[in-house]
Amino acid sequence: QLVLTQSPSASASLGASVKLTCTLSSGHSSYAIAWHQQQPEKGPRYLMKVDSDGSHIKGDGIPDRFSGSSSGAERYLIISSLQPEDEADYYCQTWGTGIVVFGGGTKLTVL
Amino acid sequence: EVQLVESGGGLVQPGGSLRLSCAASGFTFSIYSMNWVRQAPGKGLEWVSYISGSSSTIYYADSVKGRFTISRDNAKNSLYLQMNSLRDEDTAVYYCSSYSGSYWGQGTLVTVSS
Repeated sequence: QLVLTQSPSASASLGASVKLTCTLSSGHSSYAIAWHQQQPEKGPRYLMKVDSDGSHIKGDGIPDRFSGSSSGAERYLIISSLQPEDEADYYCQTWGTGIVVFGGGTKLTVL
Repeated sequence: EVQLVESGGGLVQPGGSLRLSCAASGFTFSIYSMNWVRQAPGKGLEWVSYISGSSSTIYYADSVKGRFTISRDNAKNSLYLQMNSLRDEDTAVYYCSSYSGSYWGQGTLVTVSS
Protein backbone atom coordinates (compact mmCIF):
# COMPACT_ATOMS: atom_id res chain seq x y z
CA GLN A 1 0.00 0.00 0.00
CA LEU A 2 1.29 3.41 -1.04
CA VAL A 3 1.64 5.57 2.07
CA LEU A 4 3.56 8.76 2.86
CA THR A 5 4.67 9.44 6.44
CA GLN A 6 5.53 12.88 7.81
CA SER A 7 6.30 14.10 11.31
CA PRO A 8 3.37 16.16 12.63
CA SER A 9 5.49 19.10 13.70
CA ALA A 10 8.87 20.78 13.39
CA SER A 11 10.38 24.00 14.61
CA ALA A 12 13.46 26.09 13.92
CA SER A 13 14.70 29.58 14.64
CA LEU A 14 14.38 32.58 12.40
CA GLY A 15 17.31 32.63 9.98
CA ALA A 16 18.20 28.99 10.60
CA SER A 17 17.68 25.96 8.34
CA VAL A 18 15.25 23.08 8.67
CA LYS A 19 14.92 19.73 6.93
CA LEU A 20 11.48 18.16 6.62
CA THR A 21 11.16 14.47 5.83
CA CYS A 22 8.59 12.48 3.85
CA THR A 23 8.98 8.69 3.93
CA LEU A 24 7.59 6.40 1.24
CA SER A 25 6.16 3.05 2.28
CA SER A 26 8.02 -0.20 1.70
CA GLY A 27 8.34 -1.15 -1.96
CA HIS A 28 7.80 2.39 -3.20
CA SER A 29 11.25 3.92 -2.73
CA SER A 30 11.56 4.79 -6.45
CA TYR A 31 8.56 7.12 -6.45
CA ALA A 32 8.86 10.84 -7.01
CA ILE A 33 7.00 13.16 -4.68
CA ALA A 34 5.83 16.76 -4.69
CA TRP A 35 6.10 19.21 -1.79
CA HIS A 36 3.37 21.74 -1.11
CA GLN A 37 3.20 24.65 1.32
CA GLN A 38 -0.05 25.76 2.93
CA GLN A 39 0.08 29.01 4.84
CA PRO A 40 -2.70 29.73 7.37
CA GLU A 41 -6.10 30.26 5.76
CA LYS A 42 -4.69 29.76 2.26
CA GLY A 43 -4.79 27.01 -0.35
CA PRO A 44 -1.83 24.73 -1.08
CA ARG A 45 1.08 26.10 -3.08
CA TYR A 46 3.29 23.81 -5.15
CA LEU A 47 6.95 24.04 -4.12
CA MET A 48 8.77 21.32 -6.06
CA LYS A 49 8.94 17.79 -7.36
CA VAL A 50 11.68 15.57 -5.90
CA ASP A 51 12.78 12.42 -7.73
CA SER A 52 14.38 9.31 -6.26
CA ASP A 53 17.81 10.44 -7.42
CA GLY A 54 17.45 13.68 -5.48
CA SER A 55 16.93 15.92 -8.47
CA HIS A 56 14.22 18.47 -7.99
CA ILE A 57 12.26 20.90 -10.12
CA LYS A 58 10.82 23.92 -8.37
CA GLY A 59 7.64 25.75 -9.18
CA ASP A 60 7.61 29.25 -10.59
CA GLY A 61 8.68 31.91 -8.12
CA ILE A 62 9.84 29.54 -5.40
CA PRO A 63 12.82 31.15 -3.63
CA ASP A 64 16.29 29.62 -3.78
CA ARG A 65 16.03 29.06 -0.02
CA PHE A 66 13.87 26.04 -0.79
CA SER A 67 15.55 22.86 -2.06
CA GLY A 68 14.93 19.12 -2.13
CA SER A 69 16.90 15.91 -1.89
CA SER A 70 16.42 12.13 -1.50
CA SER A 71 17.91 9.18 0.31
CA GLY A 72 16.38 5.74 -0.19
CA ALA A 73 12.71 5.98 0.64
CA GLU A 74 13.06 9.41 2.21
CA ARG A 75 12.37 12.66 0.43
CA TYR A 76 13.48 15.92 1.98
CA LEU A 77 12.48 19.55 1.86
CA ILE A 78 15.24 21.86 3.05
CA ILE A 79 14.44 25.46 3.88
CA SER A 80 17.36 27.74 4.66
CA SER A 81 17.40 31.26 6.10
CA LEU A 82 13.96 30.74 7.64
CA GLN A 83 11.58 33.67 7.34
CA PRO A 84 8.39 34.36 9.32
CA GLU A 85 6.29 33.59 6.23
CA ASP A 86 7.72 30.06 6.12
CA GLU A 87 5.59 29.17 9.12
CA ALA A 88 3.06 26.90 7.46
CA ASP A 89 1.91 23.33 6.94
CA TYR A 90 3.96 21.32 4.49
CA TYR A 91 2.51 18.34 2.65
CA CYS A 92 4.15 15.74 0.45
CA GLN A 93 2.22 14.05 -2.36
CA THR A 94 2.85 11.09 -4.60
CA TRP A 95 0.90 9.31 -7.29
CA GLY A 96 0.56 5.89 -8.82
CA THR A 97 -1.82 3.93 -11.00
CA GLY A 98 -5.28 4.70 -9.75
CA ILE A 99 -4.27 6.65 -6.73
CA VAL A 100 -2.94 9.91 -5.40
CA VAL A 101 -1.62 10.01 -1.85
CA PHE A 102 -0.83 12.83 0.56
CA GLY A 103 1.23 12.69 3.69
CA GLY A 104 -0.37 13.85 6.91
CA GLY A 105 1.51 17.14 6.81
CA THR A 106 4.16 18.79 8.98
CA LYS A 107 3.37 21.99 10.85
CA LEU A 108 6.49 24.16 10.80
CA THR A 109 6.90 26.76 13.53
CA VAL A 110 9.46 29.53 13.07
CA LEU A 111 10.73 30.54 16.52
CA GLU B 1 -0.63 33.04 -15.76
CA VAL B 2 -2.06 29.70 -14.71
CA GLN B 3 -5.41 29.93 -12.94
CA LEU B 4 -7.78 27.35 -11.52
CA VAL B 5 -10.99 28.83 -10.15
CA GLU B 6 -13.45 26.61 -8.29
CA SER B 7 -17.11 27.42 -7.79
CA GLY B 8 -20.35 25.77 -6.75
CA GLY B 9 -19.74 25.20 -3.07
CA GLY B 10 -22.29 26.00 -0.39
CA LEU B 11 -24.51 24.66 2.36
CA VAL B 12 -26.44 21.48 1.63
CA GLN B 13 -28.44 19.08 3.77
CA PRO B 14 -27.33 15.49 4.32
CA GLY B 15 -28.44 13.36 1.41
CA GLY B 16 -28.40 16.33 -0.93
CA SER B 17 -26.41 17.03 -4.07
CA LEU B 18 -24.00 19.68 -5.29
CA ARG B 19 -22.00 20.21 -8.47
CA LEU B 20 -18.58 21.82 -8.28
CA SER B 21 -16.86 23.44 -11.25
CA CYS B 22 -13.26 24.39 -11.87
CA ALA B 23 -12.39 26.84 -14.66
CA ALA B 24 -8.84 26.52 -15.98
CA SER B 25 -6.76 29.05 -17.88
CA GLY B 26 -3.13 29.79 -18.72
CA PHE B 27 -2.15 26.25 -19.68
CA THR B 28 -3.16 23.55 -22.16
CA PHE B 29 -5.91 22.05 -20.01
CA SER B 30 -6.72 19.17 -22.34
CA ILE B 31 -3.35 17.45 -21.93
CA TYR B 32 -3.35 17.59 -18.13
CA SER B 33 -4.78 14.91 -15.89
CA MET B 34 -6.63 16.54 -13.01
CA ASN B 35 -7.62 15.80 -9.43
CA TRP B 36 -10.18 16.91 -6.93
CA VAL B 37 -8.66 17.16 -3.45
CA ARG B 38 -10.48 18.12 -0.25
CA GLN B 39 -9.54 19.34 3.20
CA ALA B 40 -11.90 18.96 6.13
CA PRO B 41 -11.76 21.69 8.80
CA GLY B 42 -8.49 21.43 10.72
CA LYS B 43 -7.41 18.32 8.81
CA GLY B 44 -4.93 17.44 6.09
CA LEU B 45 -5.31 17.08 2.36
CA GLU B 46 -7.34 14.12 1.05
CA TRP B 47 -7.40 13.02 -2.58
CA VAL B 48 -10.96 12.58 -3.90
CA SER B 49 -10.84 11.78 -7.60
CA TYR B 50 -8.66 11.69 -10.74
CA ILE B 51 -9.47 12.09 -14.43
CA SER B 52 -7.09 11.78 -17.38
CA GLY B 53 -6.86 14.45 -20.06
CA SER B 54 -9.08 12.53 -22.46
CA SER B 55 -11.49 11.40 -19.69
CA SER B 56 -10.65 7.80 -20.59
CA THR B 57 -9.35 6.98 -17.11
CA ILE B 58 -11.13 7.90 -13.90
CA TYR B 59 -10.44 6.92 -10.29
CA TYR B 60 -12.12 7.64 -6.98
CA ALA B 61 -11.15 7.41 -3.35
CA ASP B 62 -13.08 4.67 -1.55
CA SER B 63 -14.73 7.31 0.65
CA VAL B 64 -16.64 8.80 -2.32
CA LYS B 65 -16.92 5.89 -4.75
CA GLY B 66 -20.50 5.46 -5.97
CA ARG B 67 -21.56 8.91 -4.75
CA PHE B 68 -19.29 11.36 -6.62
CA THR B 69 -18.70 11.68 -10.36
CA ILE B 70 -15.80 13.52 -11.94
CA SER B 71 -15.97 14.86 -15.49
CA ARG B 72 -14.40 17.47 -17.71
CA ASP B 73 -15.15 19.52 -20.81
CA ASN B 74 -11.91 20.32 -22.62
CA ALA B 75 -13.70 22.65 -25.05
CA LYS B 76 -14.67 24.78 -22.05
CA ASN B 77 -11.42 24.22 -20.12
CA SER B 78 -13.51 23.04 -17.20
CA LEU B 79 -13.45 20.28 -14.59
CA TYR B 80 -16.50 19.15 -12.63
CA LEU B 81 -17.41 17.12 -9.56
CA GLN B 82 -21.00 15.95 -9.14
CA MET B 83 -21.56 15.08 -5.50
CA ASN B 84 -24.64 13.07 -4.52
CA SER B 85 -25.81 11.50 -1.26
CA LEU B 86 -23.72 13.99 0.67
CA ARG B 87 -22.77 13.20 4.26
CA ASP B 88 -21.63 15.31 7.20
CA GLU B 89 -18.10 13.97 6.71
CA ASP B 90 -17.99 15.42 3.18
CA THR B 91 -17.78 18.90 4.71
CA ALA B 92 -14.51 20.36 3.43
CA VAL B 93 -12.83 22.85 1.19
CA TYR B 94 -12.63 21.27 -2.26
CA TYR B 95 -9.66 22.05 -4.49
CA CYS B 96 -9.04 21.21 -8.11
CA SER B 97 -5.42 20.52 -8.93
CA SER B 98 -3.28 19.08 -11.67
CA TYR B 99 -2.37 15.41 -11.26
CA SER B 100 1.11 15.94 -9.84
CA GLY B 101 0.10 19.02 -7.89
CA SER B 102 1.87 21.70 -9.88
CA TYR B 103 -1.32 23.78 -10.18
CA TRP B 104 -3.95 24.43 -7.49
CA GLY B 105 -7.14 26.43 -7.23
CA GLN B 106 -8.15 28.54 -4.22
CA GLY B 107 -10.83 26.09 -3.16
CA THR B 108 -14.58 26.15 -2.60
CA LEU B 109 -16.23 25.32 0.72
CA VAL B 110 -18.86 22.60 0.90
CA THR B 111 -20.80 22.36 4.16
CA VAL B 112 -23.12 19.43 4.72
CA SER B 113 -25.42 20.11 7.65
CA SER B 114 -29.05 20.03 8.62
